[in-house]
Amino acid sequence: GEDVEQSLFLSVREGDSSVINCTYTDSSSTYLYWYKQEPGAGLQLLTYIFSNMDMKQDQRLTVLLNKKDKHLSLRIADTQTGDSAIYFCAVGSSASKIIFGSGTRLSIRP
Amino acid sequence: DVKVTQSSRYLVKRTGEKVFLECVQDMDHENMFWYRQDPGLGLRLIYFSYDVKMKEKGDIPEGYSVSREKKERFSLILESASTNQTSMYLCASSLRLAAQETQYFGPGTRLLVL
Repeated sequence: GEDVEQSLFLSVREGDSSVINCTYTDSSSTYLYWYKQEPGAGLQLLTYIFSNMDMKQDQRLTVLLNKKDKHLSLRIADTQTGDSAIYFCAVGSSASKIIFGSGTRLSIRP
Repeated sequence: DVKVTQSSRYLVKRTGEKVFLECVQDMDHENMFWYRQDPGLGLRLIYFSYDVKMKEKGDIPEGYSVSREKKERFSLILESASTNQTSMYLCASSLRLAAQETQYFGPGTRLLVL
């Protein structure tokens, strides 16, 4: 079946940039998403990118898409302690056909 | 702001019990979803509903059923709970089924089946 893979953990120093990577197998996915899950909370959509784009920037967040390599990344500039969370990569072509990765736990060290 | 609430944050049940998980959204959304979240597996769709009394199976419907009698409420039912249904259950809702439509998630119900 279709798959979305991401590393389980990432640790960065406060103030540095965080880069969370994701690879996927479904080349027909039209939308690619990044969700954030803070402790004890549900998932919150951070941003998404349409498959015909290769970059999207939104304040401290930059999403890069390499469609040829089926690689998606999320860069968080100037990482803060409030960015500590689990980040989920997801791909899909309709709301009922979204495939989620297993999540990357981002921890921030002082 | 969209609000999705789930009836319980934590639930402990025994094997064989019938379990009801309730989800309510307050934004008149057409679509509601139930996922389970397991470590290392991400989220997997159990069922979704696109209208009152309408439902569709997701990727892992076995052992579950759902009910949507009112637009704002979507219930997940474990007919006979088993230990492999111990998990975090997340409910979500969206206005439309289009891929670019944001899904709004509830805080989750952590279910332990003994």
